[in-house]
Amino acid sequence: NAGVMQNPRHLVRRRGQEARLRCSPMKGHSHVYWYRQLPEEGLKFMVYLQKENIIDESGMPKERFSAEFPKEGPSILRIQQVVRGDSAAYFCASSPRLDTNTEAFFGQGTRLTVV
Amino acid sequence: AQSVTQPDIHITVSEGASLELRCNYSYGATPYLFWYVQSPGQGLQLLLKYFSGDTLVQGIKGFEAEFKRSQSSFNLRKPSVHWSDAAEYFCAVGARDSSYKLIFGSGTRLLVRP
Repeated sequence: NAGVMQNPRHLVRRRGQEARLRCSPMKGHSHVYWYRQLPEEGLKFMVYLQKENIIDESGMPKERFSAEFPKEGPSILRIQQVVRGDSAAYFCASSPRLDTNTEAFFGQGTRLTVV
Repeated sequence: AQSVTQPDIHITVSEGASLELRCNYSYGATPYLFWYVQSPGQGLQLLLKYFSGDTLVQGIKGFEAEFKRSQSSFNLRKPSVHWSDAAEYFCAVGARDSSYKLIFGSGTRLLVRP
């Protein structure tokens, strides 16, 4: 059973371009979470999705950021018109359900560099 | 506001020595508590978690942590550190009604002297 797969592992974008980050959850997991880790900081929650639904996006910046988790295929975190401040590691986690004692498994992250 | 504090940014210990990493949290009720480890360029691996019950929690790789409600702490310990333990360690809390939304501390980087 493969773990949470994120790609690409490293992504370089020029200011103003779009960044698309992909996350394939573990098999059987229908809950996906995205976190952002700025340099020298801990992870910050961004968004929680189930298949075809955004459940909680309270951590998402109001502009330029969007996320989806379609019925088929990976979850996508999309950043439009990237700026230098978007440079960070973006981590995806997944879990099979949401209840007590459920652990979320993290992927290895996508490191975005905006030049 | 909910928060997690890891007061030590860096800690250096000698191989074979004992280790304690501190974590304090601010939360209105008893939260879920986690410790994760992140090796350079890697994702996060769960070391251990506390949901309820026994306040001394055993984890992987010989780590343990103790939940002390009176001190709002969840310190991580290991009796004998190995060179492979060098990594960054994150403490996190989750609300019982939204346990997916973890709040992470800023991390403690562990260096191990040979």
